Amino acid sequence: DAGVTQSPTHLIKTRGQQVTLRCSPISGHKSVSWYQQVLGQGPQFIFQYYEKEERGRGNFPDRFSARQFPNYSSELNVNALLLGDSALYLCASGRGLEPREQYFGPGTRLTVT
Amino acid sequence: GQSLEQPSEVTAVEGAIVQINCTYQTSGFYGLSWYQQHDGGAPTFLSYNALDGLEETGRFSSFLSRSDSYGYLLLQELQMKDSASYFCAVNVGGFKTIFGAGTRLFVKA
Repeated sequence: DAGVTQSPTHLIKTRGQQVTLRCSPISGHKSVSWYQQVLGQGPQFIFQYYEKEERGRGNFPDRFSARQFPNYSSELNVNALLLGDSALYLCASGRGLEPREQYFGPGTRLTVT
Repeated sequence: GQSLEQPSEVTAVEGAIVQINCTYQTSGFYGLSWYQQHDGGAPTFLSYNALDGLEETGRFSSFLSRSDSYGYLLLQELQMKDSASYFCAVNVGGFKTIFGAGTRLFVKA
C-alpha cells in the first residue's frame, strides 16, 4: 500500500501570496492532520479533519484553512503569506478520530521570500 | 496551557541502553505517543500509551504514569541507525496532538 503522499515537495512563494498544499492519506484512513515544523522544533498542530469535518484546530491565525474531500484527501491553504510561514508542512493520516497512531507524509518545504 | 519537557540531547554508545524522559502538563489528556525523525525525513510512529505501564515493541519500550504526568522511551541494543530526533507527543481531547521540542540522540561507535 502507498504511504501518505504530499504535493508539491518544495515551494517558493513571495510575501502576501497564497499557497495550497495537498495530501493523500493511506488508503482506508479517514483522519488527516496538518502540522508545521520549523527546523529544530517539534511539529506544531494546525488542523485535524475526520470524515470531512474539522475536529480540531491549533493556535494558528485565520490565514490558515483546510478542507477534506469525500475521498479523504485534504488541502491546506495559507493566505497572505508571511516570512514566518517558511517551514516544513507535514500531513499525517490515521484510521480513526483519535490520533493514536499517525503516519506522516514526506512534507512540503515552503519558503517565503 | 499545555507543555511537554524532554531533554534536548542524549549521547550513548552502540549496544547500550538509553532512556528518554518526557513530562507533560495538559488538560484533556488521552495518551502519550513517541515518534522518531531522522534528519531530512518525516516523523515515524514508534509507540502509544493510553494506560499506565510499559509497552514493548522489539528494541523499543515506552512507559506511562498518568498520575505523575510522566513517560519515557527506552531504546535497547542501540545501533548507529538509531541516531535521530525523538519526540514525545500528547493526545489532547482525543483529536489534537501536541509535540515536544524533541531529543536528539547521538549514538557513538
